[in-house]
Amino acid sequence: GNSVTQMEGPVTLSEEAFLTINCTYTATGYPSLFWYVQYPGEGLQLLLKATKADDKGSNKGFEATYRKETTSFHLEKGSVQVSDSAVYFCALSEDKTGGFKTIFGAGTRLFVKA
Amino acid sequence: NAGVTQTPKFRVLKTGQSMTLLCAQDMNHEYMYWYRQDPGMGLRLIHYSVGEGTTAKGEVPDGYNVSRLKKQNFLLGLESAAPSQTSVYFCASSALTASYEQYFGPGTRLTVT
Repeated sequence: GNSVTQMEGPVTLSEEAFLTINCTYTATGYPSLFWYVQYPGEGLQLLLKATKADDKGSNKGFEATYRKETTSFHLEKGSVQVSDSAVYFCALSEDKTGGFKTIFGAGTRLFVKA
Repeated sequence: NAGVTQTPKFRVLKTGQSMTLLCAQDMNHEYMYWYRQDPGMGLRLIHYSVGEGTTAKGEVPDGYNVSRLKKQNFLLGLESAAPSQTSVYFCASSALTASYEQYFGPGTRLTVT
């Protein structure tokens, strides 16, 4: 079945450091891929998405590229800020298996120190 | 637009008590979902609905019931609460589009003692 695997946290970085959070997936077809972010005490919100191979999603300085050959969707940011401290979830949804049922990774907690 | 709202924000129940969590969305979305979030386990789908009057089981449906009598509302019921149901509950909705991105409510923190 479909699945999402993301790197375990927590990830602790200093302000202005480079961020990578790895995400790989297993799917039978051509899923859409997402990164959601959850700030403390809040619900998840969509950070970025990509709907087909080689697409790059970007938002708020974060980027992720849909790599079908490596089944990956790694999240990157060139210079993190304290305000980026949150939990990040990689996710996929696929029409073939009832696309509205999104599969979420376990989440990666990011701490950014000033 | 309020987006997705959840009521209540916090609740403490004793074992065996019942309660209903209310989710409302004002985006005219077809799909609605209930998840629970537990430490180290990500999000797990409890029940979902693909339209008014229809519901289906997700990954962890036992001990919960749901109803979708109106398109904008999705209710989650606990008939006899157990300590294992202590969790944070999130409601979400999505439109009938190819990418199915979901919009989440702020969550309900439930403690069962």
